[in-house]
This record gives sequence, structure tokens and C-alpha cells, in this order.
Amino acid sequence: DTGVSQNPRHKITKRGQNVTFRCDPISEHNRLYWYRQTLGQGPEFLTYFQNEAQLEKSRLLSDRFSAERPKGSFSTLEIQRTEQGDSAMYLCASSQGQGPYGYTFGSGTRLTVV
Amino acid sequence: LAKTTQPISMDSYEGQEVNITCSHNNIATNDYITWYQQFPSQGPRFIIQGYKTKVTNEVASLFIPADRKSSTLSLPRVSLSDTAVYYCLVGPPRGSQGNLIFGKGTKLSVKP
Repeated sequence: DTGVSQNPRHKITKRGQNVTFRCDPISEHNRLYWYRQTLGQGPEFLTYFQNEAQLEKSRLLSDRFSAERPKGSFSTLEIQRTEQGDSAMYLCASSQGQGPYGYTFGSGTRLTVV
Repeated sequence: LAKTTQPISMDSYEGQEVNITCSHNNIATNDYITWYQQFPSQGPRFIIQGYKTKVTNEVASLFIPADRKSSTLSLPRVSLSDTAVYYCLVGPPRGSQGNLIFGKGTKLSVKP
């Protein structure tokens, strides 16, 4: 296992279109997190899963954002009716239970809405 | 979750030791201090985590005074490749409440 994988790495879309990003976590990690990062800012938490259960989603930016992790493995983040303000880096991270080693982040998907 | 304050930016030269201090006056009893490093176009990478006194690994050292209201990340003999943004986070270990809260971080620039 080579770490957290995110696809695509880059996505350019027209305003109003729907986009979906995929995250494949480290296989033995049961927790999966989505973050958004805009230029010059730190990552902003969006939502997280423990196995297939979405335990926190109140920080999703609007009802246009949704995330799934149907089988407790990979996850998808969908943005409907994209707006220019959605342009950002979308990061996925995973972790396993307790321990001192922190989260493992993927390299992100950079979304540009034109 | 406790709020953190750290310098926006720092400059250094190759071979020097760099110390980045983070203030967290409202740290809770069960909070840990965690530092992440982020290069452009990559996700943050875990560097070190500690609760009190001193923690050292192959990458950095973390110094935490007795009152735990601040912490200092120490990078020995930096190189150009250490140019990155460094984030200080305070909260339950591995975000057991569900998430990590990032601030703006400290942008470290290492010059030759």
C-alpha cells in the first residue's frame, strides 16, 4: 500500500457542472476525512467517516456538497452546481484508531471552476 | 478545540537550526500538540506529536514547557528541502473527536 490516493489530481469544470472526486485510503485505516484548502490558508475540515458511517457532516460547506463511503473503503466527494468559489484543493486523509502517528493525507485534487 | 498562534513566516539559511514557536494558551488537559509539514501541491505530512516535556524523532524535536501553553518545533540543520509551511495543532490525539483544526501555519523559507 503506497498511501492515500486521490483522483483526479486536477479537475477543470464549468460553473454549474457537477464534479466527483475519489479517495482511496490506506487499506487498514478505518477513518477517512475530507478537507478543503484555499490559497494561503490551512486545510479546512469538511467531513469524516468511521468505516462506512459518516460521523460528522455539519461542516460541509453547503447542501451542494456530499460525501459517501459505501463499503467502508474508498470515498467520494461530490459537488453539485459548482461555483467559482468552490475552486480549491480538496484533500483526503485517513487514520487508524489510536496512536501517535497522526493522519496520512493524499496529494489532493485541485479543482478549478471557470 | 484550543486555538493556536504561530508566526506567519520565517526565514533561515541552510545548516542553521530553526525553532518555530506556537502559542496555545487554552490547551485542555487531554490535548496533545501535533505538527504537520506541507509542501506546495501536496497534502500535509505528520512530523511529530507530544504531550509534555520533550519529544524527538529522526526529523525534529518538540519542546513543551511545564505549563503547556506553548510549544517549540526545532528543526536541526535545515536544508533547502525544508522550505514548507508548518502547522501547529492542538487537540485530542489523532483527532479522536473527528477532525484536526488547522490554522494558517508558518511559512519557512530556507535560503542557500
